[in-house]
Amino acid sequence: EAGVTQFPSHSVIEKGQTVTLRCDPISGHDNLYWYRRVMGKEIKFLLHFVKESKQDESGMPNNRFLAERTGGTYSTLKVQPAELEDSGVYFCASSQRDSGRLEQYFGPGTRLTVT
Amino acid sequence: QKEVEQNSGPLSVPEGAIASLNCTYSDRGSQSFFWYRQYSGKSPELIMFIYSNGDKEDGRFTAQLNKASQYVSLLIRDSQPSDSATYLCAVGIGGTGNQFYFGTGTSLTVIP
Repeated sequence: EAGVTQFPSHSVIEKGQTVTLRCDPISGHDNLYWYRRVMGKEIKFLLHFVKESKQDESGMPNNRFLAERTGGTYSTLKVQPAELEDSGVYFCASSQRDSGRLEQYFGPGTRLTVT
Repeated sequence: QKEVEQNSGPLSVPEGAIASLNCTYSDRGSQSFFWYRQYSGKSPELIMFIYSNGDKEDGRFTAQLNKASQYVSLLIRDSQPSDSATYLCAVGIGGTGNQFYFGTGTSLTVIP
């Protein structure tokens, strides 16, 4: 079974540019999550999709971040315009729909550098 | 106060010894607890999860949960050099437990 995949693995952009990150969850997982780790800090929750619906977006830092999950399969996270403080590693995770199974499986992350 | 706290380490143990990793959390209502292992530049890999007080064993790994003390630990028996990694404690917060709070991780080195 394929794991969570993310694209690209690395992205270097200039301040003010736009970047779109993609996540493909494990097949059949209805729950999809985005997290971010900035240098020296812990991994922090950004948002949670159940299928195509945003269940919880309380961790999104500001309106420069837009997450979508059209069709309930893969998800994209767009940062527009990017700022220096957006640099970090963006992780995607997925989990089964069964409410008794809370285990989240993580992708390899996208390392974003804003210069 | 951070939601989840771990000693950052580094923690060094000799090969074959028991490595003990600790984590405390602040939300007394938390119901789900996870340990992830992360090698440098790789994805966090789920190695243990525990939902009830007590011990849970899986191979060389044992997770221990004490909700009264708001404490969760991971024991690695017969430590191997391949266990050298950063270990992340995660706690499911909120009504559904789907939002994870992470500690900053403990770096473990197993010395051959």
